[in-house]
Amino acid sequence: NAGVTQTPKFQVLKTGQSMTLQCAQDMNHNSMYWYRQDPGMGLRLIYYSASEGTTDKGEVPNGYNVSRLNKREFSLRLESAAPSQTSVYFCASSDPGGTQYFGPGTRLTVL
Amino acid sequence: QKEVEQNSGPLSVPEGAIASLNCTYSDRGSQSFFWYRQYSGKSPELIMFIYSNGDKEDGRFTAQLNKASQYVSLLIRDSQPSDSATYLCALWGSSASKIIFGSGTRLSIRP
Repeated sequence: NAGVTQTPKFQVLKTGQSMTLQCAQDMNHNSMYWYRQDPGMGLRLIYYSASEGTTDKGEVPNGYNVSRLNKREFSLRLESAAPSQTSVYFCASSDPGGTQYFGPGTRLTVL
Repeated sequence: QKEVEQNSGPLSVPEGAIASLNCTYSDRGSQSFFWYRQYSGKSPELIMFIYSNGDKEDGRFTAQLNKASQYVSLLIRDSQPSDSATYLCALWGSSASKIIFGSGTRLSIRP
């Protein structure tokens, strides 16, 4: 039982490059989330998916797209990376009571 | 006004003392409240949640909720150096579709 897994763990991009962050959970949760965390800013919600087939914008969606591929997988795509997107990205899923389970994070640097 | 507010700290507490962490929120319809602990470089992990007014105890941790005053707190008794971390307050708002996080309080336990 791996919980929430994310790939890659680290990534360095040049401005304008694109990439997809992958996330998968094996807890059969309906809801999944993508956050970014910057120093002193706490967790900011980028996108979330309340169930398979639905996605909604969070607090900071600009520059990102998501795909809920199936119940297990929720990916985050940066189409044209910018230095402002340098951050730590966390994927999470939540149980029906609202408890969130986080992946280990992806540390992204955009040069 | 932010939806969830926490003092960023750092809060310095001597080993063996009680650490008190506070959180206020603006959405009166909020239903569920969570405390997460995050060690440096790691992902957040749930400490406890609380739904009803009053106190909820789990080992050395006590969560307190006062919906009339719109605050939730976390007490850590017999503080240990291993409790040094950032503590994130979160709530499930009245929209019930996503969790909202505070920016966290950094706690340091000094020997």
